[in-house]
Amino acid sequence: GAVVSQHPSWVICKSGTSVKIECRSLDFQATTMFWYRQFPKQSLMLMATSNEGSKATYEQGVEKDKFLINHASLTLSTLTVTSAHPEDSSFYICSARQDSSTEAFFGQGTRLTVV
Amino acid sequence: GQQLNQSPQSMFIQEGEDVSMNCTSSSIFNTWLWYKQDPGEGPVLLIALYKAGELTSNGRLTAQFGITRKDSFLNISASIPSDVGIYFCAGRGGATNKLIFGTGTLLAVQP
Repeated sequence: GAVVSQHPSWVICKSGTSVKIECRSLDFQATTMFWYRQFPKQSLMLMATSNEGSKATYEQGVEKDKFLINHASLTLSTLTVTSAHPEDSSFYICSARQDSSTEAFFGQGTRLTVV
Repeated sequence: GQQLNQSPQSMFIQEGEDVSMNCTSSSIFNTWLWYKQDPGEGPVLLIALYKAGELTSNGRLTAQFGITRKDSFLNISASIPSDVGIYFCAGRGGATNKLIFGTGTLLAVQP
């Protein structure tokens, strides 16, 4: 199957700082990328959908000014958690799909710990 | 956000046993997907279902798209230790056509 890679796999940051997570589709061009958040022992919750070259669409309750998403190219989307707080600590997972007729492939996830 | 009801929440079985889990929704879906997630990893797609009544197999895994389009089940036959993980269903449909994940089933297999 197609490969979606996230970087970093894990990150620890101080409260109040910003963290950037990258999501890359390695062997296909992704017109759409999705960002999810997963708290321990819980399911995946969609945060936002991003289409290449346009603004991301955020789910209800997700602050767009706190979770900045950029999808500047067909192979890269970034999620920046701004002014991170301990409650932002979670497992962030991206997925990418080539077009609307294909299923998205998931990255390996990024474990964010804010101390 | 919306979640699908998935059961059971967890299963502890002996190697070689068969396993069954299901998802139900109050909404109609046009797609049902089943994923497996290992600890610290992203979900991996196991089976995709696109038609009501569809029954699809992937090795020892079999999944069905319910006739009512509001449910789906996944069966694993002759379980092995590497089947351990969390299994998620996901449905897509309705006005938003977004993928909604189930609450997950934790599977533990004792050798």
